[in-house]
Amino acid sequence: EVKLQQSGDELVRPGASVKISCKASGYTFTSYSMHWVKQRPGQGLEWIGAIIPIIDTTEYNQKFKGKATLTADKSSNTANMELSRLTSEDSAVYYCAREHYYSSSYVMDAWGQGASVTVSS
Amino acid sequence: DIQMTQSPSFLSASVGDRVTINCKASQNINKYLNWYQQKLGEAPKLLIYNTNNLQTGIPSRFSGSGSGTDYTLTISSLQPEDVATYFCLQHSSRRTFGGGTKLELK
Repeated sequence: EVKLQQSGDELVRPGASVKISCKASGYTFTSYSMHWVKQRPGQGLEWIGAIIPIIDTTEYNQKFKGKATLTADKSSNTANMELSRLTSEDSAVYYCAREHYYSSSYVMDAWGQGASVTVSS
Repeated sequence: DIQMTQSPSFLSASVGDRVTINCKASQNINKYLNWYQQKLGEAPKLLIYNTNNLQTGIPSRFSGSGSGTDYTLTISSLQPEDVATYFCLQHSSRRTFGGGTKLELK
């Protein structure tokens, strides 16, 4: 069974950084890209970016360049996202999602449970 | 970057109704369009990929169509368990989600 287990909810101070992890199991971690998605309370979904673990290549939504840094630890099958210089606008639930390529389509077919980040003093 | 405009943002319908949700891309996305369903407190779930391909396990009352810049998700006969928010996602260039459609029962 494919499973993405995210780290727990975080309460962080404005200006600080936070690192969210996403541990993958049930598939070959390096064979799929991992995407990250932001969802503010009661709002839609925003694509942050993605990493291809086998070649450590990243791609970002221009809006999140300088805000989010994506990494992957192949030894532990874990994808990570660090968010820096946090403000209230970064308070949201963050999801990791595995992307699979089949039938000429990219599909995010497995998602983590989400990690809530609250930025507050 | 490609922008996705989804409509309506809110929809109220009765059980058995035919429901349609639309997404319009700012440029041709060549049918590289997926649909997701998100129920309250849950992660999104893939319904349809590449415009009109039903993901395994998804009921056949869900279908998708479209081409170029305009795409549609249709629920042929609304069921109570379909209450959720629906998002489109283009994967022609990077990734962009539509703004979402919140579907409720009338």
